[in-house]
Amino acid sequence: KQEVTQIPAALSVPEGENLVLNCSFTDSAIYNLQWFRQDPGKGLTSLLLIQSSQREQTSGRLNASLDKSSGRSTLYIAASQPGDSATYLCAVRRNTNAGKSTFGDGTTLTVKP
Amino acid sequence: NAGVTQTPKFRVLKTGQSMTLLCAQDMNHEYMYWYRQDPGMGLRLIHYSVGEGTTAKGEVPDGYNVSRLKKQNFLLGLESAAPSQTSVYFCASSYSRLARAGEQYFGPGTRLTVT
Repeated sequence: KQEVTQIPAALSVPEGENLVLNCSFTDSAIYNLQWFRQDPGKGLTSLLLIQSSQREQTSGRLNASLDKSSGRSTLYIAASQPGDSATYLCAVRRNTNAGKSTFGDGTTLTVKP
Repeated sequence: NAGVTQTPKFRVLKTGQSMTLLCAQDMNHEYMYWYRQDPGMGLRLIHYSVGEGTTAKGEVPDGYNVSRLKKQNFLLGLESAAPSQTSVYFCASSYSRLARAGEQYFGPGTRLTVT
């Protein structure tokens, strides 16, 4: 059974700092890995999708990497801003297109002005 | 392009009552999913559908039923609500083909309280 772990559960940083969020998974037979952002009381917003054949994806100040062999993904946020404060979740999809996804519990990020 | 929408946004039920949650997507996605999110439990898959007229059980299907009569709609039913079904329910959909296959798009959620 796939298990997804996100450490730390919470992180507080000053504005402008670069930071890394971690996601680890136990079964490397994955189809893709997706990073989401969730604001309080809201739904999940997709940030980055990494297919199993890819090593990284970038969007603006965000960069996500994937290392299947070690069962790890990182989300790098450059020059953090207070507006980045949210909970960040990773989801790992089984190795079929419609396979079930397993979500981590998320890392709650607070960026202080 | 509204993306994924959910109706209603909030609902309070009494134990034993029934209700249906509606999910609609306008992206022509083949796949649709229902999740529940609970503190300390993360997001868990209830049921999913890989196409019109087809549904399958997820991780926590007991107490729920689903239907996908139209490609754009996915309904989640609670026949006899229980307090354990108090949760936030999210619907999601995803592409089946092309480069972004498997990328899930989420609705805003339905907050359900069962007393």
